[in-house]
Amino acid sequence: GDSVTQTEGLVTLTKGLPVMLNCTYQTTYSPFLFWYVQHLNEAPKLLLKSSTDNKRTEHQGFYATLHKSSSSFHLQKSSVQLSDSALYFCALSIQGGRALIFGTGTTVSVSP
Amino acid sequence: DAGVTQTPRHEVAEKGQTIILKCEPVSGHNDLFWYRQTKIQGLELLSYFRSKSLMEDGGAFKDRFKAEMLNSSFSTLKIQPTEPKDSAVYLCASSHRGGTEVFFGKGTRLTVV
Repeated sequence: GDSVTQTEGLVTLTKGLPVMLNCTYQTTYSPFLFWYVQHLNEAPKLLLKSSTDNKRTEHQGFYATLHKSSSSFHLQKSSVQLSDSALYFCALSIQGGRALIFGTGTTVSVSP
Repeated sequence: DAGVTQTPRHEVAEKGQTIILKCEPVSGHNDLFWYRQTKIQGLELLSYFRSKSLMEDGGAFKDRFKAEMLNSSFSTLKIQPTEPKDSAVYLCASSHRGGTEVFFGKGTRLTVV
């Protein structure tokens, strides 16, 4: 069936370092991929989205490229800040009146 | 412009009780979603409505979980009877019909003792 896999449950790193969060998906439909970010006690908010193969999309210093050949949509940032500490979800949308399918999420913890 | 509003923000229930969680979607949105959020499973779909019609439900949640769209601007999620394993954050979300951006509420944290 359709699914999203995020391999890291927790990523801890120091401010200023780069980060990459993995996201792979499975579907036989044409995919639309999303990254959502959820800060503590806040609602998840959309960070990035893409349905275009091999095109980089960027927002707030984060970027990701949808690669349909490898079914991946990894999230990256070149220099993390303390405020980036949050829970990050990758999600898949497929056509046909289906709800978003989420991965299990990756918690990012940034220390000074 | 109001976002998705969920009440209450916190709920404590005893095992066996019936609880009702409430959600007001963004005005004008046609699609409404209920998700359960846990650390182990992440976000699991409970129900998805489009213009008050049930489009999809999470198969594992059918027996004690019932979501309803009472009108286009109000939805409830009833859990009856509650069990300790239901302790989680329940998120409501909405979007324009088939829209690519889904807006979430802050959730209701349910603790069943």
